Amino acid sequence: ELKVEQNPLFLSMQEGKNYTIYCNYSTTSDRLYWYRQDPGKSLESLFVLLSNGAVKQEGRLMASLDTKARLSTLHITAAVHDLSATYFCAVVLYNNNDMRFGAGTRLTVKP
Amino acid sequence: EPEVTQTPSHQVTQMGQEVILRCVPISNHLYFYWYRQILGQKVEFLVSFYNNEISEKSEIFDDQFSVERPDGSNFTLKIRSTKLEDSAMYFCASSEFQQSNEQFFGPGTRLTVL
Repeated sequence: ELKVEQNPLFLSMQEGKNYTIYCNYSTTSDRLYWYRQDPGKSLESLFVLLSNGAVKQEGRLMASLDTKARLSTLHITAAVHDLSATYFCAVVLYNNNDMRFGAGTRLTVKP
Repeated sequence: EPEVTQTPSHQVTQMGQEVILRCVPISNHLYFYWYRQILGQKVEFLVSFYNNEISEKSEIFDDQFSVERPDGSNFTLKIRSTKLEDSAMYFCASSEFQQSNEQFFGPGTRLTVL
């Protein structure tokens, strides 16, 4: 059974600081996604990672994928308050539509 | 920009009643999905749908759930006899392809079962 673990579950940061969120998964996958969710809102797609070594960056967020280690990271650079949200990673098994989400990381960026 | 829409935004129902949640996927997308999120918890996969049939379903998607694409645009989730524990946010999503393709999520329907 595919399991997806995120850590930390809660993250409180000062503005301007850097931090990394980790996403581990238990079986072989060829697709990993990062989503952002604001309170009471839907899921916004941030990154799609499709191959080993994939790295994508958008603004202050950078995501990477190591399929051999079954690990993805979401790195936050020089955090700002607007990044406060819950971040989910999600993994899909090869040739499958069953997307499994991690528990989410609730990020709070304080001034 | 095309987006997934869902109606209603909030549905309140009595335990044991049937509810139908509606979704309009992005028009050129071929794969459709339902997820649920119990308040404060993670997003859980329910079912995926392609070519007018279910392609995957989770253990949550038992006999009280069904999905349908009654016309060319709508995609519905029916819960036959609601239970208190069905209270959650239900998200519809769609994707253009199966492989290598991101899923776009709708705004969600908050279902409250009393």
